[in-house]
Amino acid sequence: AQSVTQLDSQVPVFEEAPVELRCNYSSSVSVYLFWYVQYPNQGLQLLLKYLSGSTLVESINGFEAEFNKSQTSFHLRKPSVHISDTAEYFCAVAKNTGFQKLVFGTGTRLLVSP
Amino acid sequence: SQTIHQWPATLVQPVGSPLSLECTVEGTSNPNLYWYRQAAGRGLQLLFYSVGIGQISSEVPQNLSASRPQDRQFILSSKKLLLSDSGFYLCAWTLGTYGYTFGSGTRLTVV
Repeated sequence: AQSVTQLDSQVPVFEEAPVELRCNYSSSVSVYLFWYVQYPNQGLQLLLKYLSGSTLVESINGFEAEFNKSQTSFHLRKPSVHISDTAEYFCAVAKNTGFQKLVFGTGTRLLVSP
Repeated sequence: SQTIHQWPATLVQPVGSPLSLECTVEGTSNPNLYWYRQAAGRGLQLLFYSVGIGQISSEVPQNLSASRPQDRQFILSSKKLLLSDSGFYLCAWTLGTYGYTFGSGTRLTVV
């Protein structure tokens, strides 16, 4: 079975500062990895995903994540955050064969202040 | 394009009352459908998933049940709600690969 650990429940940061949200996973088989973002009282939106190929993946709004197989990590980074990035971020994993069931971490609340 | 609809958006129900939450997907056929529950500070827990009409798999034993009466309709039900059923319920769909698309969720408060 797969599992995901997001060690930071909350990350406060000032606007225009860099941020890293940590995600570690556990799996005995190869996996796909995802980051989702959730704004208050809304569903989850896919931010970016790693399926194969380049270990660095990017989103359209400046976030990036790097798949590190040896460290079983998929940390999310942004070099300069905006107030509008305030949201909850979920890391998720699924095995890359067979029926897909996403397993989510407990989430990290990113709080951006001016 | 594909869209997913979930309703109602919010619901306040007394303990012991029944529950029915509905999710429908448009613009695709034979999707895999999922129900997740999000409790405060606990992330998302997979409750049920379905790969086809009438096919339901339960991930955790609980006070809830699910049904899929039509290809693109997924219903979450309970005969008698408990306080512990409160939470944010999310429906999602996928065609089998590369991540899910989520609905906007239902906030259920059991009082």
